[in-house]
Amino acid sequence: ETGVTQSPTHLIKTRGQQVTLRCSSQSGHNTVSWYQQALGQGPQFIFQYYREEENGRGNFPPRFSGLQFPNYSSELNVNALELDDSALYLCASSLAASGAYNEQFFGPGTRLTVL
Amino acid sequence: DQQVKQNSPSLSVQEGRISILNCDYTNSMFDYFLWYKKYPAEGPTFLISISSIKDKNEDGRFTVFLNKSAKHLSLHIVPSQPGDSAVYFCAASAGMKTSYDKVIFGPGTSLSVIP
Repeated sequence: ETGVTQSPTHLIKTRGQQVTLRCSSQSGHNTVSWYQQALGQGPQFIFQYYREEENGRGNFPPRFSGLQFPNYSSELNVNALELDDSALYLCASSLAASGAYNEQFFGPGTRLTVL
Repeated sequence: DQQVKQNSPSLSVQEGRISILNCDYTNSMFDYFLWYKKYPAEGPTFLISISSIKDKNEDGRFTVFLNKSAKHLSLHIVPSQPGDSAVYFCAASAGMKTSYDKVIFGPGTSLSVIP
């Protein structure tokens, strides 16, 4: 059984560009959540996808968007990058859209730097 | 305005001694609390949780204490081991079965256990 994987590990972009981050869920998990962890802060919920549909969103602008595919892998897209988007982006997979969130399994994250 | 605070960014403890990590919250609606541990280059992993109907929960070397009147919880690690060196996040939510967007993370405390 493979865990949650994310790619790329690191990424450098310039302001105004677009970026796509990828996540492969743990085998059998149908729900994925994305978090942004800025330097010195805890993870902040961006949104969640359940069976390919968005199922909850945090306080992030529409330029943050996502996709979940039939194999339950997922993408986070960020348009018009801003300097403040520099952060560690974490995805977490789980078996159900809601429930005890101690059953979330996190990937190692993608470190995005916006110059 | 941080709803979950971890006022000690870092903590150093001698191997074999007790580590005490503290967390304060401001939202009186929070009734379920979790601790996550994060190693470098890895995602956070669930460690232990506590519901507000309890004031203590124990799992091996890890014990979490909750003081609802003070809106304070603490994680005790006894005895501390070098492998416990990691960043510890306190998280809180209003409801054990709530959706993930209601989970608020603190900024984390970096624990170093010195051999």
